[in-house]
This record gives sequence, structure tokens and C-alpha cells, in this order.
Amino acid sequence: ILNVEQSPQSLHVQEGDSTNFTCSFPSSNFYALHWYRWETAKSPEALFVMTLNGDEKKKGRISATLNTKEGYSYLYIKGSQPEDSATYLCALSGTYKYIFGTGTRLKVLA
Amino acid sequence: EPEVTQTPSHQVTQMGQEVILRCVPISNHLYFYWYRQILGQKVEFLVSFYNNEISEKSEIFDDQFSVERPDGSNFTLKIRSTKLEDSAMYFCASRDTGVSVNEKLFFGSGTQLSVL
Repeated sequence: ILNVEQSPQSLHVQEGDSTNFTCSFPSSNFYALHWYRWETAKSPEALFVMTLNGDEKKKGRISATLNTKEGYSYLYIKGSQPEDSATYLCALSGTYKYIFGTGTRLKVLA
Repeated sequence: EPEVTQTPSHQVTQMGQEVILRCVPISNHLYFYWYRQILGQKVEFLVSFYNNEISEKSEIFDDQFSVERPDGSNFTLKIRSTKLEDSAMYFCASRDTGVSVNEKLFFGSGTQLSVL
């Protein structure tokens, strides 16, 4: 059973600061790694899907990298804004299910 | 943009009662999922469903749980006799019919189930 861990569990940053958090997993026995953003009272929304070691994806100020050999993925937010406040979930997809991490709750202070 | 819809948004029930949580996945999607999140814990996989049958289910998905696609558009989760520990936010999700399992999930906004 894959155990997906995320750290930190929560963090507060000031508006304009850049930040990053980690998703770690014990093996590369999965098809893809996904990042989702989950704002309060809304549904989780997909940010990135990565499959290959060394993959990097970017969307605006947010980017992500994947290292399957060492078992981690980083999500970076450059110049955090209050609207970036959300829980960021990573998930590994297998044949029939997606296993989610514990999430990182980000609060950006204006 | 098409979206997954879930009803009701909140459900309060007495312990031992049956509840049915309803979901309408995106119309051309064929893979469906139920997840739940107990307050303060991680999002947990319950069940995946494809081609009118369960593809995989977790240990949580015991005999008290069942899923159904009764009419080609709705996808329901039934809990036969609710327990206090079933209180959670239940999410329905669906994904595209692509062969690749790299497809992203589309989530509904959830049903908050409270068992008293």
C-alpha cells in the first residue's frame, strides 16, 4: 500500500514570499503524480500531472518537479498571493485508484 | 466548464439509518470514484467504478457500503446502517475515458455527512 506523505502540514507565509512544500512516497510503483489545489468550500482542482523522473510543470507562479528515484515531488509558489491560500494535495495514481497525501494547508497573509 | 455535481451538500442522519449520497459525474466520463475525508485526516479512497462494476475498493468499503449507477447519469453511494465514525465529507470524482491512467480527477464539491 502506497503511503503518501506531505510536509509541512500547514504553513503561513507573507504576501510576496515564495514557498515550497514536499510530497514524498516510498516507491515509483505508480503511473503518475498529481497535484491538486483545494480551496475552502470548493472541490479539489487539478494543477499538474507528472509521470517521468525529472518532469517539471509550470502554471503561472506555481511550478512542480518530480524525482521518482528519490521519491519526492516539490510544489513551488513564487510571490505568494492571498488567493493562493488553500490546501495542496498530492496524489499517486495506480490502475484503479488515486492515493492522496495528507495535504499542506497554506495561508498567505496580506 | 463541465463539472461533477453532488447532492445533498449536507446530510444529517441518526446512527443506524440508511443514507444515499448522489453524484452526477461529467457526462462523457466512465471512471467514477468515491472518496471521503474525516475532519483533520487525509482524503481516503473508498471505491472506484468502471463499466458498471467495482474496479477496486478499500478496507473502509465494507458490506455496509454499496455503489450504483442506476440510470446512466447518477452515481450513488449508499451506507446501509450509518455509524458515528461514518461522519465525514464524501467526495465523488470522475475522469475521462482516456486509456492513460494519467488523467486528472474531477471532483464534486462534496457531501458533508453528520451521523448523530
